Amino acid sequence: EVQLVESGGGLVQPGGSLRLSCAASGFTFSSYWMHWVRQAPGKGLVWVSHISSDGSTTTYADSVKGRFTISRDNPKDTLYLQMNSLRAEDTAVYYCARDGGGYNHWGQGILVTVSS
Amino acid sequence: DIVMTQSPDSLAVSLGERATINCKSSQSVLYSSNNKNYFGWYQQKPGQPPKLLINWASTRESGVPDRFSGSGSGTDFTLTISSLQAEDVAVYYCHQYYSTPHSFGQGTKVEIK
Repeated sequence: EVQLVESGGGLVQPGGSLRLSCAASGFTFSSYWMHWVRQAPGKGLVWVSHISSDGSTTTYADSVKGRFTISRDNPKDTLYLQMNSLRAEDTAVYYCARDGGGYNHWGQGILVTVSS
Repeated sequence: DIVMTQSPDSLAVSLGERATINCKSSQSVLYSSNNKNYFGWYQQKPGQPPKLLINWASTRESGVPDRFSGSGSGTDFTLTISSLQAEDVAVYYCHQYYSTPHSFGQGTKVEIK
């Protein structure tokens, strides 16, 4: 069974940093592109970033470019999102998702709250 | 950037009746080299992650009831629930993965009338 489990969220002050992790199991992690998607409270889905299966290609939404960094450790079956210079508008549930054309598997999500 | 616009924002349908959600993309998501629409539909229930229902515009994911169907090509797409069930109450999102930034529609809330 495919499982994606996010961790590392929580409350952080504006300007602070957090690193999210997404532990994958039940599939060959190194064969799939992976994505981060976020959802602000009561709002819709917003794509944040993706990374190729070997980690050589990364792309970001303009809203996070230069502040967030996506990476992966294939031997550890783990996806990461390093988030720096956090702003109040980054407050959201962050999901990792596996690429299957569309995103056919999602984690349960992890809440990041940016507030003083 | 491709903008996805869904209509309506919400709809209330009686149990057993048909529900139809439309999505329009600001540019075509049909990749001519393989004739595939890089487009999907998701269902999200409160407190849960989104669930992919329809991939490649019209391919139902494994385990998705056949009352859900997707149609359309290029820039105009439709999700149809042929006979609404109580468990279908959710927010539905369209999604393009043709080009980055990948983008979602604003969501359509489906309720029981």
